[in-house]
Amino acid sequence: QKEVEQNSGPLSVPEGAIASLNCTYSDRGSQSFFWYRQYSGKSPELIMSIYSNGDKEDGRFTAQLNKASQYVSLLIRDSQPSDSATYLCAVGGNNAGNMLTFGGGTRLMVKP
Amino acid sequence: SAVISQKPSRDICQRGTSLTIQCQVDSQVTMMFWYRQQPGQSLTLIATANQGSEATYESGFVIDKFPISRPNLTFSTLTVSNMSPEDSSIYLCSVETTNSFEQFFGPGTRLTVL
Repeated sequence: QKEVEQNSGPLSVPEGAIASLNCTYSDRGSQSFFWYRQYSGKSPELIMSIYSNGDKEDGRFTAQLNKASQYVSLLIRDSQPSDSATYLCAVGGNNAGNMLTFGGGTRLMVKP
Repeated sequence: SAVISQKPSRDICQRGTSLTIQCQVDSQVTMMFWYRQQPGQSLTLIATANQGSEATYESGFVIDKFPISRPNLTFSTLTVSNMSPEDSSIYLCSVETTNSFEQFFGPGTRLTVL
């Protein structure tokens, strides 16, 4: 049984701070890792994908992957109230059509 | 990324009836998936919709309850059959873009069963 674990939160940070979201996974064979943002009442929106160990930066977002520790994280710099949402971690394989396993999500609240 | 639409966006249905949800993509995609998101929960994969053949269902989901069609590379339907209140969920289709493992989601169908 593949498992993806996230702290459900809520994680509360002040505006302008760095929000750090964490995710662990059980399947050592996992090769693809994704972060989705989901606003209340909306569908998940892909914000980051990462496939290799290390950091990947895109604007205010940085994804970090450590396969040895089976750990993936998302950092949001200069957090804004509009970043308030649930962030879903998803883990998959390395072939087309690979099944994604989703974590339960972390609710982030950015306070003005 | 592809533009994905779903119909209906929401519906309220009576116990014992069936509802068919449509998913349309603006470009040809190889892989299409159907997920369920129950209230306050994360996403669970129902099945992979295979073009021209039977869908591949995940553990806990069966074809009689969730028949899926995929007649071409831009369209798929999911039917929720013989509904009960426990089927009240958001149903989402997703597509995997060519040469990428990334999945993008449609806007979802919010189903309430009374």
